[in-house]
Amino acid sequence: AIQMTQSPSSLSASVGDRVTITCRASQGIRNDLGWYQQKPGKAPKLLIYAASSLQSGVPSRFSGSGSGTDFTLTISSLQPEDFATYYCLQDYNYPLTFGQGTKVEIK
Amino acid sequence: EVQLVESGGGLVQPGRSLRLSCTASGFTFGDYAMSWFRQAPGKGLEWVGFIRSKAYGGTTEYAASVKGRFTISRDDSKSIAYLQMNSLKTEDTAVYYCTRDLWGYGDYFQHWGQGTLVTVSS
Repeated sequence: AIQMTQSPSSLSASVGDRVTITCRASQGIRNDLGWYQQKPGKAPKLLIYAASSLQSGVPSRFSGSGSGTDFTLTISSLQPEDFATYYCLQDYNYPLTFGQGTKVEIK
Repeated sequence: EVQLVESGGGLVQPGRSLRLSCTASGFTFGDYAMSWFRQAPGKGLEWVGFIRSKAYGGTTEYAASVKGRFTISRDDSKSIAYLQMNSLKTEDTAVYYCTRDLWGYGDYFQHWGQGTLVTVSS
């Protein structure tokens, strides 16, 4: 199975900060990667698909980049509603595998 | 509006079985793959498996942790996906989500149910 190594596992940031989360795949996965946001007690929400495509309705402060093995989710200006846990998910092959998650907390 | 509603969760003893249902509405169910995920308490997300649409053979894929114990099926006439869970273990305790993806291939998961809690304990 492809291993997705996500970092950091947590971070503290202030409103307005630029935040970057990375995922590294154990082998090349082209651009077959999505990013999800999850708030406590809620189902995940798709933010980015195909590594860099913004899902409809998601604010433009979210962006994704990368291909092959290294991927990045960037929040350009952190907003209060962005405090949540973020996961990457590769869909290059089965089994689909997630990163361990990054909890974004208020500084 | 796409809606996915899971049901069937609850408390079950180790070794027993449970069947979850995912009732869908708001889209042509038969055109889409349906996937299941889970999340153990306080842990990250885990893909459980999925079933392709009939157009793609209706075949299934599973995570290694559930293969041989869990079976995903679908009833397109009722717009329901099922997750049959046999030989349950304590480590299967989790919130289980059913999902529908963007395009029907089982890749990017745009729609999620509210989740149903399965607790495996004696």
